[in-house]
Amino acid sequence: EAGVAQSPRYKIIEKRQSVAFWCNPISGHATLYWYQQILGQGPKLLIQFQNNGVVDDSQLPKDRFSAERLKGVDSTLKIQPAKLEDSAVYLCASRPKLRVAGKVHEQFFGPGTRLTVL
Amino acid sequence: GNSVTQMEGPVTLSEEAFLTINCTYTATGYPSLFWYVQYPGEGLQLLLKATKADDKGSNKGFEATYRKETTSFHLEKGSVQVSDSAVYFCALIRANAGGTSYGKLTFGQGTILTVHP
Repeated sequence: EAGVAQSPRYKIIEKRQSVAFWCNPISGHATLYWYQQILGQGPKLLIQFQNNGVVDDSQLPKDRFSAERLKGVDSTLKIQPAKLEDSAVYLCASRPKLRVAGKVHEQFFGPGTRLTVL
Repeated sequence: GNSVTQMEGPVTLSEEAFLTINCTYTATGYPSLFWYVQYPGEGLQLLLKATKADDKGSNKGFEATYRKETTSFHLEKGSVQVSDSAVYFCALIRANAGGTSYGKLTFGQGTILTVHP
């Protein structure tokens, strides 16, 4: 079974430029997450989708970050304009849809996109 | 809100040494607890998990016990190998009384482990 795919793997941009990241979750996984991992810190959730609907975007800086999941499969995360503090690894994760009683569902992570803002 | 605190790193050990990485948490309700590992150049992988108090998660020689009384989930391995060199993250997720998980993972800051031959 293919894992979570992300692209690009690395991106270097100047501040105030725009950038977009792409994620393709595991086939059949309805829930998709974007996490931001700043160097030396653990990942922090930016946004969670259930199919193509947003479940939690409370930590997403909406003045500059946006995300969409058209058709409930692939997702794109965009930053416009980028700031120096956006330098981080952006992780995409997915998990199966069904919430089975008493079961803890594992989240499967992609390799991440490392963004450097100069 | 929920939070996870890991011991300060990095940790450097010789091969076959005993490993402990401390993790404590703050959470309401019935959180499930995890250890994730991130090998160089790779994504996060689930190492082990525990869903209720006194559960012991184990995998690849690593173990961790869910201690509700001390709100801890320390990671241990009796004999580390060079191939265990990686970053280790403790994490939790909310769950209801029936053990069904929901929502986001909350991670600690990570501990870098380097094992020398």
